[in-house]
Amino acid sequence: DTEVTQTPKHLVMGMTNKKSLKCEQHMGHRAMYWYKQKAKKPPELMFVYSYEKLSINESVPSRFSPECPNSSLLNLHLHALQPEDSALYLCASSQAGSPYEQYFGPGTRLTVT
Amino acid sequence: AQSVAQPEDQVNVAEGNPLTVKCTYSVSGNPYLFWYVQYPNRGLQFLLKYITGDNLVKGSYGFEAEFNKSQTSFHLKKPSALVSDSALYFCAVRRNAGNMLTFGGGTRLMVKP
Repeated sequence: DTEVTQTPKHLVMGMTNKKSLKCEQHMGHRAMYWYKQKAKKPPELMFVYSYEKLSINESVPSRFSPECPNSSLLNLHLHALQPEDSALYLCASSQAGSPYEQYFGPGTRLTVT
Repeated sequence: AQSVAQPEDQVNVAEGNPLTVKCTYSVSGNPYLFWYVQYPNRGLQFLLKYITGDNLVKGSYGFEAEFNKSQTSFHLKKPSALVSDSALYFCAVRRNAGNMLTFGGGTRLMVKP
């Protein structure tokens, strides 16, 4: 099973809302990632978790708050977002360390109104 | 700093013709190189990777890539294109230490019947 699942597929939220994106994998991967992707652009790395600990935060605004409750789950909590945060949010996982490929979920299409 | 360049925003080929999607990289040390494909409204799918060894790497769906150290290139190729190959292709490089993946800007491949 090489599947990474993400919920919801689509999310519309106002600037004062609080919502969460969820990601799950059952491949035994110990590294998980959040990316943000704008239309026709490459994914931009936001956060990396390695062995359930945050290892990389790419200077992401605090209105994005990641959480890794266990080795299979990754959440991204959203609060007070801006319209420019509208994008496709991708989750990925891989075996920890290099040179392992990352497996991506289908993404959550987020629209901030 | 590591970087990846995809010099063509779009590549157009006729079905049945060979295709090449270009990628060049810049990184200190030995690179780990990847190709991913993204279909509309989907996540990225892993195609192939180069770690070490044979410069010609074979991957999924009949794709292959040639690593050229002297030209710092990792071009994606396929002998006979299919209409279903039409998608957005990303080249990526990972440092040989750490989990970060740097993507190129992407190349849209259009295969016409």
